[in-house]
Amino acid sequence: EDQVTQSPEALRLQEGESSSLNCSYTVSGLRGLFWYRQDPGKGPEFLFTLYSAGEEKEKERLKATLTKKESFLHITAPKPEDSATYLCAVQAADSNYQLIWGAGTKLIIKP
Amino acid sequence: DSGVTQTPKHLITATGQRVTLRCSPRSGDLSVYWYQQSLDQGLQFLIQYYNGEERAKGNILERFSAQQFPDLHSELNLSSLELGDSALYFCASSVRQAGELFFGEGSRLTVL
Repeated sequence: EDQVTQSPEALRLQEGESSSLNCSYTVSGLRGLFWYRQDPGKGPEFLFTLYSAGEEKEKERLKATLTKKESFLHITAPKPEDSATYLCAVQAADSNYQLIWGAGTKLIIKP
Repeated sequence: DSGVTQTPKHLITATGQRVTLRCSPRSGDLSVYWYQQSLDQGLQFLIQYYNGEERAKGNILERFSAQQFPDLHSELNLSSLELGDSALYFCASSVRQAGELFFGEGSRLTVL
């Protein structure tokens, strides 16, 4: 069964303290892996698409990487405004293009 | 601003009632998706339309229905409402069936 698991469920960091969020997936064939950011009470905001192992994407303090089994969202020197829930979703080759969503990691950056 | 417009933003109604949520996708996007998100819960996929046709169904209750019109806007109809239907309902759109979804601000439904 296709599955996406995110860890940790929640992460509290001090401002400037770098860390990584994990998204592990089990799918029959990966069509794409997507990272989103969601602020409380708002719709998710698309961040990155990764298609193949070894691929990396960067945006400001965020960098997403992909292996054959997992993806990492690295956050460097985070600021309080980076606080949000980060969602990972996978599009499997046999899923009729539907996304399989992880439960998310709630990131809190303390000033 | 994602370019996806949802109305109403907030809706309070009573059990047993029926409501309609509306979504206008980004200009040029043919796919519309509906998701439900209950308090502190993950995104639950409900249904997808592509260029007016239903493409995929998720965990959508029989009391719920949706459609996409020729101008590509979509409506989600929720009937015989129950307390447990209280949630944020998101609409998203994408070019074709890509995984890069653009979400609206959501419609917050409260059933009393």
